[in-house]
Amino acid sequence: GAVVSQHPSWVICKSGTSVKIECRSLDFQATTMFWYRQFPKQSLMLMATSNEGSKATYEQGVEKDKFLINHASLTLSTLTVTSAHPEDSSFYICSASRDGNQPQHFGDGTRLSIL
Amino acid sequence: GNSVTQMEGPVTLSEEAFLTINCTYTATGYPSLFWYVQYPGEGLQLLLKATKADDKGSNKGFEATYRKETTSFHLEKGSVQVSDSAVYFCALTEGANAGKSTFGDGTTLTVKP
Repeated sequence: GAVVSQHPSWVICKSGTSVKIECRSLDFQATTMFWYRQFPKQSLMLMATSNEGSKATYEQGVEKDKFLINHASLTLSTLTVTSAHPEDSSFYICSASRDGNQPQHFGDGTRLSIL
Repeated sequence: GNSVTQMEGPVTLSEEAFLTINCTYTATGYPSLFWYVQYPGEGLQLLLKATKADDKGSNKGFEATYRKETTSFHLEKGSVQVSDSAVYFCALTEGANAGKSTFGDGTTLTVKP
């Protein structure tokens, strides 16, 4: 089946640090990748949709300068949380789709803790 | 816009009990419907799906039937196990960007031995 790898799985860092999270589709080419944020005991909130080779589309209320997304290849998208603060602490999950019309496959998530 | 409403949890059952988690949706067209499962500290795994009315999705003993007349996609399992303890999300996708999903709030299931 389709496998999506997310790295790192857990990161703890100091306030003001920038953190990069990688999302890789291991056995298929993903034209579209999605980035979600999940607060404890809550549902997934879509942050942005990223299409290979073009700029990401951000959902309303998500700061694109804060959450930088790069989808430079068909197997890799990255989310960089710039100058992270404690309120950015959350569980971030990516998913990948062969194209925008295909079901998405999820990574295992990254738990980000900002001290 | 689209929305998904799930039965509020948490749900606690004894092993071998019957499970139902209700899910209803609102969509402008003809969505595809999904159930995902999330184990602690992990991402989401697709449990089952149905792409058109009256379709039944099934996997690992779980079933859900796409009911257009009641806009529902309730998840059922005849006999739950402790290993089924997880958070379950109902979701839909619609239109040209079918990869983009709308999720329900999730229902936490705890199965006790």
